[in-house]
Amino acid sequence: SQQGEEDPQALSIQEGENATMNCSYKTSINNLQWYRQNSGRGLVHLILIRSNEREKHSGRLRVTLDTSKKSSSLLITASRAADTASYFCATDPNTPLVFGKGTRLSVIA
Amino acid sequence: SQTIHQWPATLVQPVGSPLSLECTVEGTSNPNLYWYRQAAGRGLQLLFYSVGIGQISSEVPQNLSASRPQDRQFILSSKKLLLSDSGFYLCAWDRQGSYGYTFGSGTRLTVV
Repeated sequence: SQQGEEDPQALSIQEGENATMNCSYKTSINNLQWYRQNSGRGLVHLILIRSNEREKHSGRLRVTLDTSKKSSSLLITASRAADTASYFCATDPNTPLVFGKGTRLSVIA
Repeated sequence: SQTIHQWPATLVQPVGSPLSLECTVEGTSNPNLYWYRQAAGRGLQLLFYSVGIGQISSEVPQNLSASRPQDRQFILSSKKLLLSDSGFYLCAWDRQGSYGYTFGSGTRLTVV
């Protein structure tokens, strides 16, 4: 089955900076979702973007989707120490969701 | 409101011992249910999913099994654990038309 691949694997930034994570996938999808996982916890759904959408916003999150390039990006603006977590993209060609390996984000206060 | 319960939170089991992890969902009916495993520092591997009572689909052949005896209950089992079964086990649910998965808080299993 296809798998989303996040890039970079790890990212370290200063508080207040923007963080950008990318996700690539291989086949056609219905939607793409982003999740956050704090250390030792379950995943939390952040945002879903449908295949016919190009950009979506939710608070400090901005997600873009380019189906021609089979890629998506997650931008977190004005990052905070509390944003420190792993971020996963998940693709939905058909259920169940297939998750990538994640980007580990560290926000340094 | 819908909630998902997963227990135990942590478990240390010897090789060859049995396993039973339970997941229950409240506040909804006919959920799709999922078991994922996450190895240290890795992504999520889908193990089983269920779209209804008694309906189980297995993604990875291994010594684990799953059952769904009730609509909102999903159980992950093993008759004999292997060292390689160690990991973080996550249960999740969704429904047709829902906005993404809701995950439980996970079970950290260490096989020694």
